[in-house]
Amino acid sequence: AQSVAQPEDQVNVAEGNPLTVKCTYSVSGNPYLFWYVQYPNRGLQFLLKYITGDNLVKGSYGFEAEFNKSQTSFHLKKPSALVSDSALYFCAVRRHMDSNYQLIWGAGTKLIIKP
Amino acid sequence: NAGVTQTPKFRILKIGQSMTLQCTQDMNHNYMYWYRQDPGMGLKLIYYSVGAGITDKGEVPNGYNVSRSTTEDFPLRLELAAPSQTSVYFCASAPRGSSTDTQYFGPGTRLTVL
Repeated sequence: AQSVAQPEDQVNVAEGNPLTVKCTYSVSGNPYLFWYVQYPNRGLQFLLKYITGDNLVKGSYGFEAEFNKSQTSFHLKKPSALVSDSALYFCAVRRHMDSNYQLIWGAGTKLIIKP
Repeated sequence: NAGVTQTPKFRILKIGQSMTLQCTQDMNHNYMYWYRQDPGMGLKLIYYSVGAGITDKGEVPNGYNVSRSTTEDFPLRLELAAPSQTSVYFCASAPRGSSTDTQYFGPGTRLTVL
């Protein structure tokens, strides 16, 4: 069965430090991988995606993610955290052969950036 | 463009009542989705649609119904509200195409069933 795991419910980082939000997946075939962000009382917003090609994907707000096929991971990273990055982050996956664009979602990781 | 809009923003229902959550998108997207988000959980897909007149069940369809008479609108119907349906509901849309998987989300409807 397809699944996505975000092993940390919460990640705390000091402002200016690098941050990593972890995501691992299980899917048959080649995956499409996504990160979305949810600010309080808002809908989810797309950050970045991996479809194919370069394993390092750059997205919005200075975020990037690295696809690691051998470790089935797609960790979200940022070199220098901002207080405004504090939000809920979701990883999602789908099989590239699925024509209905259904995504399987992780449970989310709350990122807290402290000044 | 307004993107994806949802109404109402908040609603309190009594057990057994019914209501319709409205969702409209103005991006001419073919694909539309309804999710529910429970505390500490990821999004669960309720229903989805790949175009006007076509709908299909997602992971948690029980207690809900949908229709898609136009490309723009994808209402979600709760017929007999139950406390287990207390959740935040998100509507999303996506364009058709193998390289355009990004889903665009509405602001959500917070529903409480008492």
